[in-house]
Order: sequence, then structure tokens, then C-alpha cells
Amino acid sequence: DIQMTQSPSSLSASVGDRVTITCQASQDINDYLNWYQQKPGKAPKLLIYDASHLESGVPSRFSGSGSGTDFTFTISSLQPEDIATYYCQHYYDLMITFGQGTRLEIK
Amino acid sequence: QVQVVESGGGVVQPGRSLRLSCVASAAAFSNYGMHWIRQAPGKGLEGVAVIWYDGTNRYYGDSVKGRFTISRDNSKKTVYLQMNSLRAEDSAVYYCARDRGGRHSHPIDWGQGTLVIVSS
Repeated sequence: DIQMTQSPSSLSASVGDRVTITCQASQDINDYLNWYQQKPGKAPKLLIYDASHLESGVPSRFSGSGSGTDFTFTISSLQPEDIATYYCQHYYDLMITFGQGTRLEIK
Repeated sequence: QVQVVESGGGVVQPGRSLRLSCVASAAAFSNYGMHWIRQAPGKGLEGVAVIWYDGTNRYYGDSVKGRFTISRDNSKKTVYLQMNSLRAEDSAVYYCARDRGGRHSHPIDWGQGTLVIVSS
């Protein structure tokens, strides 16, 4: 099975900061990677699909990059409403797998 | 956006069974793959099972293989998760999600989740 290693597990940043989260796959997964945002008590929301494509309606401060085994998720200017846990998810296998999540807090 | 609504959660004793249901309002429900994804309290997301658009292909996470069965009734726009031989570690919020396509790649429309507690 392909393992997804997401880092950091938690992150504290100030409003306006640039925030970066990484996700590493245990083998080449091409660009078969999505990023989700989950706010407390809510279902996850798809933000980025196929590594770098912004889902419709998602603010442009969110972006993704990478291919192969190494991927990056970026918030260009952190906003208070971005407080959430973020997950990467691959679909290279026949069963999707998520990273362990990054909890983002406001400093 | 497609509305997805799960039901069937509750408290069940270890070793017993439970069946979850999920109704999706998608006009072309039979075109989409459907997922069950769970989240234990305070933990991350885990893919449990997925069924392709026509029900011909079904895949499971390692932790539930042989115990859980996913199925769908396209005429009712409903997907099911039959959970047998339940264990304490199966306790979680179970989310149903519609895929963007016919297979298993992009869970995009999620329900609010249904809570399953396995406890004696």
C-alpha cells in the first residue's frame, strides 16, 4: 500500500502569513493527489484536485504543486477562516488513502 | 451541489452488525462512484470502501476487508455499508461521499456523517 506522510502535523501562523504543508508519497503517484480542508464538526471540503487544480469556488490564495512523490499545499496569505485541519489524499491505488492531517492554528 | 445524507448509525455491541445507508440527490446517481470514509474521534480520515458507478467494482480498506460490504441501488440513489463483526476500533463518524467521476478518485460531495459507537 502507498503511504502518505504529511508534515507538519500542526502549525501555528499569523494572519497574512504564507503557510506551506507538504505531503510525501511512498512511491510515484503521478499527480493523483487531492487536498481537503476540514473545519471542526464539519465534513471535509475538496480544495485542490490533481495536485494543482483549484476547485471551483475556492479562493485563489489556496494552491497546490508537485508530482511524483512530493507535493506542496500553500496558503499565500492566511485568513482567520482558514483555521482547520488539512489533509492530502491520493487515488493511485484502487482505495484512496489520506495523509495524517495538519492542524492549522492562528498565532 | 449534490446533497448526501447518511443514516443508520448508533450504539452496537462488539461482534454485532449494523447497516448504514446513504442517499444522494444527484440526478445521474448511476454515473458516480460512491465512498464510505470514516473518522475516529480526534483522528484522521480513513477510506473504508468504494463502489464504482455501476456496482461492478468494490474495494475496501485493509482494516475492514472480509467484515464490511458496500453495495448500491441506483434506482433508489442509495449506497449501503453492511458492517459485520464490529470491533471497538470501528467506532467513528462514517461519511458517505459522491465521487466526481464514475470510479474512486475525487470524493467531492460529502454528507454530514453518522456516528457509530461499538461498545458493550
